[in-house]
Amino acid sequence: GAVVSQHPSWVICKSGTSVKIECRSLDFQATTMFWYRQFPKQSLMLMATSNEGSKATYEQGVEKDKFLINHASLTLSTLTVTSAHPEDSSFYICSSSKRRSSYNEQFFGPGTRLTVL
Amino acid sequence: RKEVEQDPGPFNVPEGATVAFNCTYSNSASQSFFWYRQDCRKEPKLLMSVYSSGNEDGRFTAQLNRASQYISLLIRDSKLSDSATYLCAVCPYYNQGGKLIFGQGTELSVKP
Repeated sequence: GAVVSQHPSWVICKSGTSVKIECRSLDFQATTMFWYRQFPKQSLMLMATSNEGSKATYEQGVEKDKFLINHASLTLSTLTVTSAHPEDSSFYICSSSKRRSSYNEQFFGPGTRLTVL
Repeated sequence: RKEVEQDPGPFNVPEGATVAFNCTYSNSASQSFFWYRQDCRKEPKLLMSVYSSGNEDGRFTAQLNRASQYISLLIRDSKLSDSATYLCAVCPYYNQGGKLIFGQGTELSVKP
């Protein structure tokens, strides 16, 4: 399978600060990356679809001004949680589809655990 | 109604048991179907893609029923190491970049 990395793997920050999470596809080109959030004992909730060279597509109910997504290259997408609050504490996971993948298979990064104090 | 639904469990089974999970989806235009395994505090790992004809990989069998809009996962001869949360995922749109909608996951605990 393909390799997707995320950085950092965990972060603790104070309320009101911004946190940037990086998602990289290490051995393939990713035209599209996806950002998910998972609260304890719940499923992955898709936040947004990140498209290389264009604006991200956000799911209903996700604030685009709070969760800034940038996909500047075929191997890197970033998610910035702006003015983080304790309710933003969650497990954030990115995934990538291989370019020209015919079966929509996604490869997940190891996730970033965010704790906002 | 949720787009993808699973029985959250938990399923507690003894080693060697056979266990089956079902997952229903609401969008009849869904194109791709997957089962993922997620261990505690880790990312999901692809277990199997689900094809129309059904597919088998060792002790794991996945099936798709388009008429009733559900997919299933059967685990035979369960091992302690099978303990995890099993997530079904559906790609609901053909040309939407492949986004996946996940079920809430079914927790499996295999006991000695």
